Amino acid sequence: SAVISQKPSRDICQRGTSLTIQCQVDSQVTMMFWYRQQPGQSLTLIATANQGSEATYESGFVIDKFPISRPNLTFSTLTVSNMSPEDSSIYLCSVVGGGTEAFFGQGTRLTVV
Amino acid sequence: DAKTTQPPSMDCAEGRAANLPCNHSTISGNEYVYWYRQIHSQGPQYIIHGLKNNETNEMASLIITEDRKSSTLILPHATLRDTAVYYCIVGPSGAGSYQLTFGKGTKLSVIP
Repeated sequence: SAVISQKPSRDICQRGTSLTIQCQVDSQVTMMFWYRQQPGQSLTLIATANQGSEATYESGFVIDKFPISRPNLTFSTLTVSNMSPEDSSIYLCSVVGGGTEAFFGQGTRLTVV
Repeated sequence: DAKTTQPPSMDCAEGRAANLPCNHSTISGNEYVYWYRQIHSQGPQYIIHGLKNNETNEMASLIITEDRKSSTLILPHATLRDTAVYYCIVGPSGAGSYQLTFGKGTKLSVIP
């Protein structure tokens, strides 16, 4: 299994600002993903973070709103841009290593006021 | 959309076996059945997965029907710490397909 550290664990932000969330893994991993969990809802995949190239976004998510970086095989960032209260959610980093099972960080709980 | 159907909630007495069902009638031949759980305010935790044979690990057992259209996750001796939302997910089969599509899951409450 992989140990995933997400920072910050929670934040309260003003609308119109941006927040960058960091995901650090203790080993090199093949795949990294970002998910969103809106209040009371299940998880929704935002994008696949590709090492050395642009992220692959799911329907309904765009790069201008959720820019993602993945400079190496152990680190990725997700930025939530120009935030509104509707962006209040838990954002989760997930990785897949040697097998097909996924491992998740503890999430970043974002509140936009 | 999620390819699975689960009951929204279940109760289980502490110390008893918890049997969580999942229907996945449209599963394709190379797709696996995965189970994850999410304890309140934590990230999802991988439990177990299988293709066609029954599987067992230190956390749970997974029973998959012969036609692969349904499965059951068994927690043999449920404890209060097993209270969580349990997600049954079909796929990924590897070969570049590692994304997970979460449904609503089953909220399991373990009762003292």
